[in-house]
Amino acid sequence: DVKVTQSSRYLVKRTGEKVFLECVQDMDHENMFWYRQDPGLGLRLIYFSYDVKMKEKGDIPEGYSVSREKKERFSLILESASTNQTSMYLCASSLNGRGSDQPQHFGDGTRLSIL
Amino acid sequence: SQQGEEDPQALSIQEGENATMNCSYKTSINNLQWYRQNSGRGLVHLILIRSNEREKHSGRLRVTLDTSKKSSSLLITASRAADTASYFCATDGIIQGAQKLVFGQGTRLTINP
Repeated sequence: DVKVTQSSRYLVKRTGEKVFLECVQDMDHENMFWYRQDPGLGLRLIYFSYDVKMKEKGDIPEGYSVSREKKERFSLILESASTNQTSMYLCASSLNGRGSDQPQHFGDGTRLSIL
Repeated sequence: SQQGEEDPQALSIQEGENATMNCSYKTSINNLQWYRQNSGRGLVHLILIRSNEREKHSGRLRVTLDTSKKSSSLLITASRAADTASYFCATDGIIQGAQKLVFGQGTRLTINP
């Protein structure tokens, strides 16, 4: 079974801090994704990556950046955290290809609070 | 860029009953997926159905797809307490010019013992 591991289940940070959310998958998947999930808004795609060193903007990239230096690791960076970035963050991976015809495998999420 | 919309938003039934959730979408799709999310956890993939398929089964799950009505349904038969979760449909949409999965807001299913 694919395992997607997010480094923290809960995280509390202060406004203006630089925040790193880490995600690791163990099945050699090429594609990785970062979503945020908010009540009433569902899942929204922040950034995704098809391969090492590649990154693509999703629906809501503003205020975020990503890093993919190794195939198994995809990091989400909040450059200067703000209270409106308080949310549940979900990382996912899928095997390969640029279509949307493959299952995505999710981590358990990081509930981030910005004070 | 929201594609799928689930209906109802919340559903509460007795254990042993069948649960039906619906998903409607706006534009043509190549495939549609259903996911489950237990409280405080990540999403788990349940079923993928392609646009040329009408029905698909997996254990107690049955998914139908009607492309003429742009809708899909997820049926869980003989529900159990462990089926309590939120269920999401996801369709292929275009985000920033790339084909990506777009998730609905989910149906929150409660199974009462």
